[in-house]
Amino acid sequence: EPEVTQTPSHQVTQMGQEVILRCVPISNHLYFYWYRQILGQKVEFLVSFYNNEISEKSEIFDDQFSVERPDGSNFTLKIRSTKLEDSAMYFCASSEARTTYGYTFGSGTRLTVV
Amino acid sequence: SQQGEEDPQALSIQEGENATMNCSYKTSINNLQWYRQNSGRGLVHLILIRSNEREKHSGRLRVTLDTSKKSSSLLITASRAADTASYFCATLPAGSARQLTFGSGTQLTVLP
Repeated sequence: EPEVTQTPSHQVTQMGQEVILRCVPISNHLYFYWYRQILGQKVEFLVSFYNNEISEKSEIFDDQFSVERPDGSNFTLKIRSTKLEDSAMYFCASSEARTTYGYTFGSGTRLTVV
Repeated sequence: SQQGEEDPQALSIQEGENATMNCSYKTSINNLQWYRQNSGRGLVHLILIRSNEREKHSGRLRVTLDTSKKSSSLLITASRAADTASYFCATLPAGSARQLTFGSGTQLTVLP
């Protein structure tokens, strides 16, 4: 069964550093998403991406964050100048269509900012 | 309560029993989805029910949707120890928004 692949599985970074989280969505999916889950809290929407542009973003997704689909297969989330409160599990997801199908999530990247 | 709130927060049952989890939401939806998450792992899509559907089955899963009450339930029949996980409902709002909103989840423990 097709999978969404995320790398790395765990990243530790110093406060103020930049990190790039990588995702390979399912190849025939058209919609891509990033979500995060702070330990013990809800899964929160960050951003959705369609047709090579951001289609929607949450209040969390401020200028510190950016997304890119550099080569037609990878989908990346960049976090600039990381803060302690950015520590969370970051999930990438993709879907064939917006409303007809559920999302396929990756296993996540656990980001720890120290 | 916030969009997509599950009830109960935690549920502990014996293997073989049925587990029922409920979800309430506030705004009009396009669809409602249920996901499962094993500890420290990713979210696995279980089932999607559209706003014009009332009931849906998939294997041992049965989902109901009552749009007049803005609520849904997930029933897992004949539970197994392997069903132990957190279960989340997530709503996709009606209209053009693409933001799938998750609830806080129900932690299900199935005792062998």
